[in-house]
Amino acid sequence: GAGVSQSPSNKVTEKGKDVELRCDPISGHTALYWYRQRLGQGLEFLIYFQGNSAPDKSGLPSDRFSAERTGESVSTLTIQRTQQEDSAVYLCASSRTSFETQYFGPGTRLLVL
Amino acid sequence: DQQVKQNSPSLSVQEGRISILNCDYTNSMFDYFLWYKKYPAEGPTFLISISSIKDKNEDGRFTVFLNKSAKHLSLHIVPSQPGDSAVYFCAAQFTSGTYKYIFGTGTRLKVLA
Repeated sequence: GAGVSQSPSNKVTEKGKDVELRCDPISGHTALYWYRQRLGQGLEFLIYFQGNSAPDKSGLPSDRFSAERTGESVSTLTIQRTQQEDSAVYLCASSRTSFETQYFGPGTRLLVL
Repeated sequence: DQQVKQNSPSLSVQEGRISILNCDYTNSMFDYFLWYKKYPAEGPTFLISISSIKDKNEDGRFTVFLNKSAKHLSLHIVPSQPGDSAVYFCAAQFTSGTYKYIFGTGTRLKVLA
């Protein structure tokens, strides 16, 4: 079956612009996670959605970051007024339930000039 | 505060020999540990996991060992193959609350033919 998909695969933007990243989880997966990986670092948790529960936003690095998810489908991660330190690979993962294995998408490579 | 550490950024192993990748953690409350493999320009793919109530889990050429008293886990790959060349991340999880993964910084494994 289809895995987690993300778009765009690459995004180059200018400092100060807003960007929107999209994640399509595996069908039927109730839990969805966003992580980011900056150069030379491990994956860093950003936000978690589980069904209709309030999301866990504890990993968002600043109020310029926000994310939404409609039901158990698509999620978008928005970064407003991008900064150079936002350059990273943004990875989305989904799992059938919260305590099952997370499956990752290929990521969106964001470069802020 | 790095709760999950992979102190070896890289490792080279001859084909057919054993690869041993190490991971240390600081929080004794982690319930679950996982290893992911990542090829360039792809998302991480799940490899193997272990519950904190076990000390060993095996899947084909891959075995994960957990030493709770030392807060240490390791991944053994036997025999190593050139296709195993990738970045390996260990991750730890609490099986309550957010269920987010906390990742190490990764170890780049190169298997020499």
